[in-house]
Amino acid sequence: EAGVVQSPRYKIIEKKQPVAFWCNPISGHNTLYWYLQNLGQGPELLIRYENEEAVDDSQLPKDRFSAERLKGVDSTLKIQPAELGDSAVYLCASSPGQGETSGSQETQYFGPGTRLLVL
Amino acid sequence: SQQGEEDPQALSIQEGENATMNCSYKTSINNLQWYRQNSGRGLVHLILIRSNEREKHSGRLRVTLDTSKKSSSLLITASRAADTASYFCATKSGNTPLVFGKGTRLSVIA
Repeated sequence: EAGVVQSPRYKIIEKKQPVAFWCNPISGHNTLYWYLQNLGQGPELLIRYENEEAVDDSQLPKDRFSAERLKGVDSTLKIQPAELGDSAVYLCASSPGQGETSGSQETQYFGPGTRLLVL
Repeated sequence: SQQGEEDPQALSIQEGENATMNCSYKTSINNLQWYRQNSGRGLVHLILIRSNEREKHSGRLRVTLDTSKKSSSLLITASRAADTASYFCATKSGNTPLVFGKGTRLSVIA
């Protein structure tokens, strides 16, 4: 079974430029997450999707960040314009679905991440 | 905000030794999960322990949970160089998303 796929793996841009990240979750997983991970820190949730609906985006800086999950499968995360402080690793994860009845539904499967460097 | 707090921040041991990492949290939880992250990679789920469980095993991993002290520990027995990674605890409370700690960086020296 293929894991979570992210692209690109690395991106270097100049500040004020736009950038987009793409994520393809594990087939059949309804829940998709975007995380931000700074160096030496744990992942911090940016947005969570249940199918195509964004159910938790309270931590997403909406002035410059946007995300979409068309048809409830792939997702893109965009930053426009990028700032120096946006340099980090952007992780995508998926899980089978929302619920408390099964441990597997609560386990998240992570992609390798996109390492962004803003110059 | 990060609820889980791992201790120590960094740990260096010899191959074959046991490694113990601790996680403390602040509010009541439904479950606590441990993840591993190798350098430059995404996180990999290791083990999940529910609030009504006290201990769980998976291969060389042993996780304990003490809800009265709001703490958990991850023990890796007979460590190998391949265990070198960062280890994160993550807590699940109600319908809120998983909250990850800052991690423990483990180095296993051959």
